Amino acid sequence: KQEVTQIPAALSVPEGENLVLNCSFTDSAIYNLQWFRQDPGKGLTSLLLIQSSQREQTSGRLNASLDKSSGRSTLYIAASQPGDSATYLCAVKVVSFQKLVFGTGTRLLVSP
Amino acid sequence: NAGVTQTPKFRVLKTGQSMTLLCAQDMNHEYMYWYRQDPGMGLRLIHYSVGEGTTAKGEVPDGYNVSRLKKQNFLLGLESAAPSQTSVYFCASSLEAYGYTFGSGTRLTIV
Repeated sequence: KQEVTQIPAALSVPEGENLVLNCSFTDSAIYNLQWFRQDPGKGLTSLLLIQSSQREQTSGRLNASLDKSSGRSTLYIAASQPGDSATYLCAVKVVSFQKLVFGTGTRLLVSP
Repeated sequence: NAGVTQTPKFRVLKTGQSMTLLCAQDMNHEYMYWYRQDPGMGLRLIHYSVGEGTTAKGEVPDGYNVSRLKKQNFLLGLESAAPSQTSVYFCASSLEAYGYTFGSGTRLTIV
């Protein structure tokens, strides 16, 4: 059974810091890994999608890496801003079952 | 570009009542999913569909039924609502090996 873990569960940083969110998964047989952002009381917004054959994806200040063999992904946020405050979820799409397995999320607070 | 649209956004039901949540996508995606999100439990898959006319059970299917009569629509039904079904429900769609697009959610309270 695929399990996805995110560390840390919560993170508080001052504005301007660079930060790294971690995601680990137990089964390397995945189609892809996706990072989402969720604001309180809102839906999920897709940030980055990494296919299993890729090593990283970038969008603006965000960079996500994937090391399938070790079952790890990181989301790097450069020059954090208060508007980045949200919960960040990673999810893997499992090959053996048409299902997206979610991590428990990292709650990020960026202070002005 | 609408993406994935869920209706209604909020609803309060009495125990034992029935209702249907509607999910519509305009991206011609084959796959559609219903998740529920509860504090401390994360997102859990209720039912999913790999194409028009097909449905399958996810992790927590009990108490729910689904239908996919048209490719663009995926309906989630509660036949007899229970307080344990109080949750935020999210619909999502995808192509087979690509990312998911989520709707904005339905906040459902059973009293």
